[in-house]
Amino acid sequence: DAGITQSPRHKVTETGTPVTLRCHQTENHRYMYWYRQDPGHGLRLIHYSYGVKDTDKGEVSDGYSVSRSKTEDFLLTLESATSSQTSVYFCATSLDREGTEAFFGQGTRLTVV
Amino acid sequence: GENVEQHPSTLSVQEGDSAVIKCTYSDSASNYFPWYKQELGKRPQLIIDIRSNVGEKKDQRIAVTLNKTAKHFSLHITETQPEDSAVYFCAKSKDRRQLTFGSGTQLTVLP
Repeated sequence: DAGITQSPRHKVTETGTPVTLRCHQTENHRYMYWYRQDPGHGLRLIHYSYGVKDTDKGEVSDGYSVSRSKTEDFLLTLESATSSQTSVYFCATSLDREGTEAFFGQGTRLTVV
Repeated sequence: GENVEQHPSTLSVQEGDSAVIKCTYSDSASNYFPWYKQELGKRPQLIIDIRSNVGEKKDQRIAVTLNKTAKHFSLHITETQPEDSAVYFCAKSKDRRQLTFGSGTQLTVLP
């Protein structure tokens, strides 16, 4: 498996609190992505990054922000967590080449109560 | 639009039979079509992919076909085995920035 580590693996938080999920990669992949996985919806793109300090929104970006200050780290922040953000979050990376495999982290299960 | 429609959402087959999962899309610019397998509690992993300049690709028991004119692509698994049971996702991209996934197919191979 590619060296992609997500932390934490599990988290329970209260509504209204900020939450930050971390994705760390050792592959020197240029592209990084955050997806959420929900039953019946597959994997939906939240935000992505194509380099340090270069990020863009995906299809479900409302309520989320990201930062990428180093190639190896991509942070996802829920500014004020809501119950609708209860989900499994996956980070992924891909090489700096068009049409290449995306490698996924192990996932983070987030529960907002 | 940018979405990918995937069918069926669930599929049960007898061991040894074939399984086919189909995805359709609407934008003409997409040029890369991967398939991912996700076992229960695990991360998605690439099993096969195809580019727009190819109509079919095969890897042992797995094959993918692409019809760019009709804008659909399919995953074919032959001689299914219990370890093929998983959720399968199709995806597409027109560049590495926008990998869009289908909603997934739960494949169950019955012994």
